[in-house]
Amino acid sequence: GESVGLHLPTLSVQEGDNSIINCAYSNSASDYFIWYKQESGKGPQFIIDIRSNMDKRQGQRVTVLLNKTVKHLSLQIAATQPGDSAVYFCAENKYGGFQKLVFGTGTRLLVSP
Amino acid sequence: GAGVSQSPRYKVAKRGQDVALRCDPISGHVSLFWYQQALGQGPEFLTYFQNEAQLDKSGLPSDRFFAERPEGSVSTLKIQRTQQEDSAVYLCASSLQETQYFGPGTRLLVL
Repeated sequence: GESVGLHLPTLSVQEGDNSIINCAYSNSASDYFIWYKQESGKGPQFIIDIRSNMDKRQGQRVTVLLNKTVKHLSLQIAATQPGDSAVYFCAENKYGGFQKLVFGTGTRLLVSP
Repeated sequence: GAGVSQSPRYKVAKRGQDVALRCDPISGHVSLFWYQQALGQGPEFLTYFQNEAQLDKSGLPSDRFFAERPEGSVSTLKIQRTQQEDSAVYLCASSLQETQYFGPGTRLLVL
């Protein structure tokens, strides 16, 4: 069925490396995508979002890329730090009108010093 | 400013007990959402309020689950006759426009 999924469940990187976390979505009607970071014992923390009329958006050390042709979303983290270690979720808004988010299962990012 | 708060943070219930989980959204946020997060999974939508109106409850897994937001601010998620499969983290989120801000969640363990 329709879902938001991730290719890699765990990503291990060295401090200072750039990290790329990928996500595939299946509903071409989705028009809003969000990346959340979730640390152990905490709720999801908003990182960055992107609308379907854009293909790239940059924040502080993070960039989200959207490829609507292949329904692919990625989060790039520059100069990854140990504090970036967490589970990252992509989510999509499948139903316009209000933001009923559909989340994937998450990718765990492990950053080694 | 204060974010979304939830209480209790942890709840242990015996099977068959009723539980009530509270959410205090960010002041002024019109929209409020409840999600359920199983271990190792992403959050799953339960229900949505716009002010005091519950506009979507399609994600509630059974009629044992009930949510309310009587004054359009604080919300309570109630689970009656808890079952072991109800064990999860229950997340509340609020939003003014599109971005949803999450609380820390209530971890429910049903024994």
